[in-house]
Amino acid sequence: AQSVTQLDSQVPVFEEAPVELRCNYSSSVSVYLFWYVQYPNQGLQLLLKYLSGSTLVKGINGFEAEFNKSQTSFHLRKPSVHISDTAEYFCAVTHMEYGNKLVFGAGTILRVKS
Amino acid sequence: DGGITQSPKYLFRKEGQNVTLSCEQNLNHDAMYWYRQDPGQGLRLIYYSQIVNDFQKGDIAEGYSVSREKKESFPLTVTSAQKNPTAFYLCASSPHRQGSYEQYFGPGTRLTVT
Repeated sequence: AQSVTQLDSQVPVFEEAPVELRCNYSSSVSVYLFWYVQYPNQGLQLLLKYLSGSTLVKGINGFEAEFNKSQTSFHLRKPSVHISDTAEYFCAVTHMEYGNKLVFGAGTILRVKS
Repeated sequence: DGGITQSPKYLFRKEGQNVTLSCEQNLNHDAMYWYRQDPGQGLRLIYYSQIVNDFQKGDIAEGYSVSREKKESFPLTVTSAQKNPTAFYLCASSPHRQGSYEQYFGPGTRLTVT
């Protein structure tokens, strides 16, 4: 069975500082990986996805993530955060045999302070 | 504008009553999903449907029911058998074709049962 672990439940960071949100997954087959963002009382918005190819994936709002197969990780990074990046971030995984069902991590709340 | 709509945004019910949450999409997606979100637990899959008139239980289907009579609609009924129904409910859809695995989310319905 697949599982996703987001290692930090909350990450406080000052504005304009870099940030990394960590995500590890467990799966015995090739996977597809996603990062979503959720602002308070809203639905989830896709930030970026890894399906195949280059292991460095760029997404919206200046975010990027790197797929590391040997470490089964898919960490999300941004070189300089803004107050508006304050939100909850979810890592998710699926694979072809899983019928497109996504398995989500518990989420990481990013708090950007001025 | 294409997208997913969920109504209402907030819903209040008395314990013992059944309640139906609406989810409509105009993205022409084949697959639709219902998730429940509780603080610190990420998203948990309740039911999903990959084609009209067919649906499968997810990880936490007990106390819930769904129907899929039309491609664009996937209503969720929270029955009185659901022991702890107060939560944020999210509907999603996906094209369900090879090479496209991401899901698109609606804005959510916050259900409070007292």
